[in-house]
This record gives sequence, C-alpha cells and structure tokens, in this order.
Amino acid sequence: QQPVQSPQAVILREGEDAVINCSSSKALYSVHWYRQKHGEAPVFLMILLKGGEQMRHEKISASFNEKKQQSSLYLTASQLSYSGTYFCGTGISNFGNEKLTFGTGTRLTIIP
Amino acid sequence: EPEVTQTPSHQVTQMGQEVILRCVPISNHLYFYWYRQILGQKVEFLVSFYNNEISEKSEIFDDQFSVERPDGSNFTLKIRSTKLEDSAMYFCASSEGVAGASTDTQYFGPGTRLTVL
Repeated sequence: QQPVQSPQAVILREGEDAVINCSSSKALYSVHWYRQKHGEAPVFLMILLKGGEQMRHEKISASFNEKKQQSSLYLTASQLSYSGTYFCGTGISNFGNEKLTFGTGTRLTIIP
Repeated sequence: EPEVTQTPSHQVTQMGQEVILRCVPISNHLYFYWYRQILGQKVEFLVSFYNNEISEKSEIFDDQFSVERPDGSNFTLKIRSTKLEDSAMYFCASSEGVAGASTDTQYFGPGTRLTVL
C-alpha cells in the first residue's frame, strides 16, 4: 500500500517555510525523500532510518516519527530552486535490494 | 560525479512492437531497478535485479516485460508487445548494495519517455 503525502500541493512565497508529510499504514524501516522537477528524474535528497537521527540537506531537514509511521520534510526559508514535486519512497525492511514504494507526491511552487 | 545514464531519451513505437530501453548503472553499484511514471502520476516500481537475477517484481511487470544485464555495464528493459497503456517515463536506478536497499541511496537516471501509438 502506497504512503500518503500531504498536502498535495502548496504555493509559497520565496523565504517562507513549508512542511510536507508522508504517512504509511505499514511499519517502516526507511523513508527516502526525492525532488523531481518537471520532465526530469527524481533527485535524491535524504534517507531517514528507523531509530535514526533527523537529517538535513542544505536548508531542508526531515524527521521520522516511528510511533506514527510518518516522516516530515521541513523546507526553511524556501528558495525558487526548491520548486518541484517532492516524493517520499518507503522501505519496510533492511533486506538487500528492496523496492521503494512512492507516495503520490507534493507539488511545491515557490513564487518570487 | 558518477551518474546513471539511459538511452534513448525518447522512444516512439507502434502498438504491438517490441522496445528495448537501455541503462548504464553507476559502475560499482550492485542493485538495479526499473520504475515507471505515467504522466502526472507517482513513480511506480517495476522490478529489481541483483546478481544476474530478478529479486522482486511488481504486478505491473507481467510476461510482456523482461530485464537483462547483457554485459558488465548495460541493464535493459524489454517490452515484447507494447500496449497504449505502456506509454510512460521509464526510470532506471541503481544502488551500491553494501548495506541493503533500505539504507542504500537509489540514484535515478534521466529516464526514457516511451510513447506508444
């Protein structure tokens, strides 16, 4: 079953903050965050692991709440380059070569 | 920086024809994947491949699909008889495979846009 992302879309002015959530009904081992710009491949941002620490990529950080099986992506002081669709991909085990199950995405638009 | 490459970038084919999509994963990576993305929708897993065999496949990956690693560098996805609904962007990805997929970063190639007419 695919993870659920919220919100589906968000529009921000440059410099504003946003939070994107990714929730699963399954117990997760990992959450992988990607950003995809229109017509391009998904670009890896960061991995959150069960029992792991909050991660950061530039001014983007993420956390993983094991009790809720939810990961949140925090975009601080957003820049125009942050525009794109953000996908979470979830893994349920530490077995090798496991597939990622992706959420439906959150479209982020940053306006000047 | 090493990257996953895919060819062609765009493939147009007639319904019923066979297509082969090609990928060159990052050279020291051991795990390979194909995903697809129908326009405007989420990325969907097709198949994973390790040690010259399929590790896992989704319900989308039926008998019309096959994967192969014909040599030490290429990883291919073949669709034997294309259908209209196969039109999508197909992404190849690879991961290092040291710690297992859940802790491995999957790096995506630029994709091949397949259009079936």
